[in-house]
Amino acid sequence: AQSVTQLDSQVPVFEEAPVELRCNYSSSVSVYLFWYVQYPNQGLQLLLKYLSGSTLVESINGFEAEFNKSQTSFHLRKPSVHISDTAEYFCAVSPTTSGTYKYIFGTGTRLKVLA
Amino acid sequence: GAVVSQHPSWVICKSGTSVKIECRSLDFQATTMFWYRQFPKQSLMLMATSNEGSKATYEQGVEKDKFLINHASLTLSTLTVTSAHPEDSSFYICSARATGTVRIGLFFGSGTQLSVL
Repeated sequence: AQSVTQLDSQVPVFEEAPVELRCNYSSSVSVYLFWYVQYPNQGLQLLLKYLSGSTLVESINGFEAEFNKSQTSFHLRKPSVHISDTAEYFCAVSPTTSGTYKYIFGTGTRLKVLA
Repeated sequence: GAVVSQHPSWVICKSGTSVKIECRSLDFQATTMFWYRQFPKQSLMLMATSNEGSKATYEQGVEKDKFLINHASLTLSTLTVTSAHPEDSSFYICSARATGTVRIGLFFGSGTQLSVL
């Protein structure tokens, strides 16, 4: 079985400051890792994903996440946030052998960017 | 990227009525779709896995007779909340995965806010 822990339910940060949203997972098998962003009353949008290869993955809007296998973490970072980054962020894992693409989501972190 | 359309985006209904939510993959075929439920300020809880041409697989604790899922084609899955009650009020989200490609990852609909009066 897999589980995902997002320890921070809310993260307030001032505009143009850096931010890190933490994600730790537990799994007895290898997994793919994802970060999704959800704006109010909307579905989830894929932000970035780790499948294999380089442990540092980047998104087109300045976010990056690093897969750390020894610490079973996949923290999300951005060096300088904007007001528009205010949203809910979900970390998710999916077993690589899962033919069903069953995702397990964390409880989410609400990022609030302050002016 | 792939597009998943979910309709309606919001619905208000009376207690005891049934509500149907549609999930369509617009530019790819999806043999597998997923239905999630999300309560305010909480994470997504997988309700069921919808497989084209076969019965859905429900997660533990999800009532099959209450949440009817039909995946009649490679681009459409529907979730029907039967005899809805106020406790069924929630945000429902579908997702779909592409078929026959090496694309990895799910593509989500925009969600349906259901309010049962």
